[in-house]
Amino acid sequence: SAVISQKPSRDICQRGTSLTIQCQVDSQVTMMFWYRQQPGQSLTLIATANQGSEATYESGFVIDKFPISRPNLTFSTLTVSNMSPEDSSIYLCSVGLSADYGYTFGSGTRLTVV
Amino acid sequence: GDSVTQMEGPVTLSEEAFLTINCTYTATGYPSLFWYVQYPGEGLQLLLKATKADDKGSNKGFEATYRKETTSFHLEKGSVQVSDSAVYFCALSDEGNYQLIWGAGTKLIIKP
Repeated sequence: SAVISQKPSRDICQRGTSLTIQCQVDSQVTMMFWYRQQPGQSLTLIATANQGSEATYESGFVIDKFPISRPNLTFSTLTVSNMSPEDSSIYLCSVGLSADYGYTFGSGTRLTVV
Repeated sequence: GDSVTQMEGPVTLSEEAFLTINCTYTATGYPSLFWYVQYPGEGLQLLLKATKADDKGSNKGFEATYRKETTSFHLEKGSVQVSDSAVYFCALSDEGNYQLIWGAGTKLIIKP
């Protein structure tokens, strides 16, 4: 299965600023997923990023707040823009051929907004 | 819509105890079912899966059987170790859908 390098692993940011999270995959993958995991909660899908097309955002998430880039089949970034304390969460990227094969996750970025 | 319900945690057990973490689901089709595990400070890892009724997924001593009649996929292990302490997530994917529907997660604490 693919190996994902996600960084930064954690950050403390001032409100109103932006943070860009990077995920590098050791093999070419079509679909990449970005999740948010709020403290003590389950995972919520933010968006699906396919190379060469606009990311598809889930209900409650918008491109202006969470812009995503997918320049090639091994790399993606998620930016958390104009941050507020409510954005404090763990952000995870994930890749996989399909749900039935099982998805691989990055180690996560623990974001604290102060 | 589809949903997954799993038992609330934390679940605290002594080493070598028997573990059951309950998971039930609702789905319109014939979903595939998964257990993922998240060790402290790490990302999620696929622990086991089952893609059709009566299938049993197993890995690292953990087992779960896909029970269509009770819409359940309970996670079991006969003898837990301290190293099993983690958060366990039950999830499903409905046929033809790449998305996973997640349970809330169950934190497992194993005491020596």
